[in-house]
Amino acid sequence: SQQGEEDPQALSIQEGENATMNCSYKTSINNLQWYRQNSGRGLVHLILIRSNEREKHSGRLRVTLDTSKKSSSLLITASRAADTASYFCATARLSAQFYFGTGTSLTVIP
Amino acid sequence: DAGVTQSPTHLIKTRGQQVTLRCSPKSGHDTVSWYQQALGQGPQFIFQYYEEEERQRGNFPDRFSGHQFPNYSSELNVNALLLGDSALYLCASSLAGLNTGELFFGEGSRLTVL
Repeated sequence: SQQGEEDPQALSIQEGENATMNCSYKTSINNLQWYRQNSGRGLVHLILIRSNEREKHSGRLRVTLDTSKKSSSLLITASRAADTASYFCATARLSAQFYFGTGTSLTVIP
Repeated sequence: DAGVTQSPTHLIKTRGQQVTLRCSPKSGHDTVSWYQQALGQGPQFIFQYYEEEERQRGNFPDRFSGHQFPNYSSELNVNALLLGDSALYLCASSLAGLNTGELFFGEGSRLTVL
């Protein structure tokens, strides 16, 4: 299976701290994306990193990709209570089908 | 600019029944994908529709079928419902040929099978 796996499954931090979550996958990919989901709602795209990129930034988000280790990390800096959500990585080999991991549940305590 | 809309938001069915879920893609998008998300799990790909045809299918039985209309909207049909079909069904739209791969999701339809 190409499915990504996020680590840790759950993370609890204080507001203002940084949050780091990791994703591992099994096969070669075209790109890797991170999505956010508030409880029971739809997913929101956060950032996409292509297989030939190593790092990408978007606002308070920083994503890294190591294709040799088949892993990615998402860093959220200066976290806010509103960042509380589940975060999923999604891998795509062909753009038709995305493989999502089981997610990291992030709780930011005010 | 309308985002992805899904209906109904919640529904309850009994085993053996059939259900139809509907999705209107984001304005300008021509591709619709359906995902099933069980409680505590990540979304799993059911299938994708483009130009009114099923372009790719995930590991789901034939009880799951779909349709795409000329206006790009889509339906997901599930026959002979099982308890295990209880899940959040997510519709995602995208633009074919644009290799960004970004998916735009609706808020989902929560199906409970009793």
